[in-house]
Amino acid sequence: TQLLEQSPQFLSIQEGENLTVYCNSSSVFSSLQWYRQEPGEGPVLLVTVVTGGEVKKLKRLTFQFGDARKDSSLHITAAQPGDTGLYLCADSGGGADGLTFGKGTHLIIQP
Amino acid sequence: GAVVSQHPSWVICKSGTSVKIECRSLDFQATTMFWYRQFPKQSLMLMATSNEGSKATYEQGVEKDKFLINHASLTLSTLTVTSAHPEDSSFYICSANSFDRGETQYFGPGTRLLVL
Repeated sequence: TQLLEQSPQFLSIQEGENLTVYCNSSSVFSSLQWYRQEPGEGPVLLVTVVTGGEVKKLKRLTFQFGDARKDSSLHITAAQPGDTGLYLCADSGGGADGLTFGKGTHLIIQP
Repeated sequence: GAVVSQHPSWVICKSGTSVKIECRSLDFQATTMFWYRQFPKQSLMLMATSNEGSKATYEQGVEKDKFLINHASLTLSTLTVTSAHPEDSSFYICSANSFDRGETQYFGPGTRLLVL
């Protein structure tokens, strides 16, 4: 059974600061997805990464996929209160299977 | 985009009653729908995978007789929590995908269930 570990579990920082959160898997990812979930809502897909060493940027968010395809990081530059939420990493399992999620990082950006 | 809706968005029921939750793909035909459960401050846990016209596949530890899943069409799946108890109180989220959309799953907004 694949285990996804995310760290830190909780993070509270001031607006304008930079931050990085991590996701580590006990086995190689089929493909890795990062989601953001706000309270009382379903998760929203941010990015999918497939290739080891891949780097994707989405405005102030930078996603890195480790060369061995077992770890990933999400870096946010100049965090804003709107970035507050639960950040989840997940393995797609190949598409036909349900997703395996990590426990997430609860991020709070204080104005 | 692809939109998935859920109904109801929240429900409160008495212990022992059954609750039905609907998941609809509004602008695409979903080959597969998935049901997840999320307890407070925890992550999403896959409960079952549902393909149109066939029986759902349940994850280990999920009682198929308690969580009845019906996937009668390519745009609708339902989850019925039978004889609900307070420990079934949770946030239930569905997702859907289709062959022509690759591995992307589109999530619904979730249904909050509170069993008294």
